[in-house]
Amino acid sequence: NAGVMQNPRHLVRRRGQEARLRCSPMKGHSHVYWYRQLPEEGLKFMVYLQKENIIDESGMPKERFSAEFPKEGPSILRIQQVVRGDSAAYFCASSPPGTSNNIQYFGAGTRLSVL
Amino acid sequence: LAKTTQPISMDSYEGQEVNITCSHNNIATNDYITWYQQFPSQGPRFIIQGYKTKVTNEVASLFIPADRKSSTLSLPRVSLSDTAVYYCLVGDGGSARQLTFGSGTQLTVLP
Repeated sequence: NAGVMQNPRHLVRRRGQEARLRCSPMKGHSHVYWYRQLPEEGLKFMVYLQKENIIDESGMPKERFSAEFPKEGPSILRIQQVVRGDSAAYFCASSPPGTSNNIQYFGAGTRLSVL
Repeated sequence: LAKTTQPISMDSYEGQEVNITCSHNNIATNDYITWYQQFPSQGPRFIIQGYKTKVTNEVASLFIPADRKSSTLSLPRVSLSDTAVYYCLVGDGGSARQLTFGSGTQLTVLP
């Protein structure tokens, strides 16, 4: 059973470009979460999605950031017009249907570098 | 979500037992205590979870006193590969599914 797959592992963008980060949850998991980790800091929650629904986006910046989890295909975290402050590691996690009890399975992350 | 407090860093030597304590004075009745491990350049990995008393699995043990205001992660006979950041999380995992990570404890295992 493959784990949570994120790609790309590393992404380099120039200021003003768009970044698209993809996440395929574990098989059978219908809940997806995105977290951001700035250098030397802990992970910060961004958004929680189920298929075709955003459940909680309380951690998402108000502008330039969006997320989706379509009926078919991976979840996408999209960052428009990137700035240097967006440079961070972005982690996706998934959990199966039902109560999670705080157990989530994380991918290896996408490291975004904005030049 | 209950706030947690852990030591920023700990050093140990190979073969020793390591105990990392986490304080969570405001833990709620429905909250579970969950520990994650994160290696450099990787995502966090679930280690162990408990509600009260003691839980043991193949990786670690978790000790929770009766008042549940703290918990101790115990790693038996650590090796160099146990060098990582360890996070203590507290929450009920109900409708609010976001995990709240603090700064964690950087464990460094020395030869």
